[in-house]
Amino acid sequence: AQSVTQLGSHVSVSEGALVLLRCNYSSSVPPYLFWYVQYPNQGLQLLLKYTSAATLVKGINGFEAEFKKSETSFHLTKPSAHMSDAAEYFCAVSGSNFNKFYFGSGTKLNVKP
Amino acid sequence: DVKVTQSSRYLVKRTGEKVFLECVQDMDHENMFWYRQDPGLGLRLIYFSYDVKMKEKGDIPEGYSVSREKKERFSLILESASTNQTSMYLCASSQYNTGGTEAFFGQGTRLTVV
Repeated sequence: AQSVTQLGSHVSVSEGALVLLRCNYSSSVPPYLFWYVQYPNQGLQLLLKYTSAATLVKGINGFEAEFKKSETSFHLTKPSAHMSDAAEYFCAVSGSNFNKFYFGSGTKLNVKP
Repeated sequence: DVKVTQSSRYLVKRTGEKVFLECVQDMDHENMFWYRQDPGLGLRLIYFSYDVKMKEKGDIPEGYSVSREKKERFSLILESASTNQTSMYLCASSQYNTGGTEAFFGQGTRLTVV
């Protein structure tokens, strides 16, 4: 069985501050991990993905995530938050089963001026 | 540019109506998915399809059915809409392989059942 837990349904940071969004996964097979972003009334857009090539993955808009097998984590970071980063972020895992994707409950990021 | 298109952005339907949500992808993807998104619950899989006429139940299939007659089109059907089906519905597609390919999402359909 595969599942994802995102700690913190709401995270608030100041503009220019570090962004850290947490994701822990559970998977009985080597996982593929994804971070998506959703702006209001939009679909989901891929930020980055881990497919076992490298543990530190760089994505769009300055985001990156590090896969840590020992901690079963895939936290998303960005060194300096921008107002345009305000959105909801979802972590997802897939593995076997025809690439089914399992999503976390989401974290809403608020960026204060 | 890859595209998943959902036929409606907003829908308002009455309780008991039969509702069709349509989704079309232009990427020749094998897999297609319907998710429901509710605040605090993330995305929950309703149904997915891995080939034409093939479907598999997700985590919350009750009250829904699906149809995939052509590779590019995946329809979600609410047999008799109820107010607890008021939600955002997201369609997605992905290529089938051994894993690691991402899902591409449509813009979503916000359905209100009154």
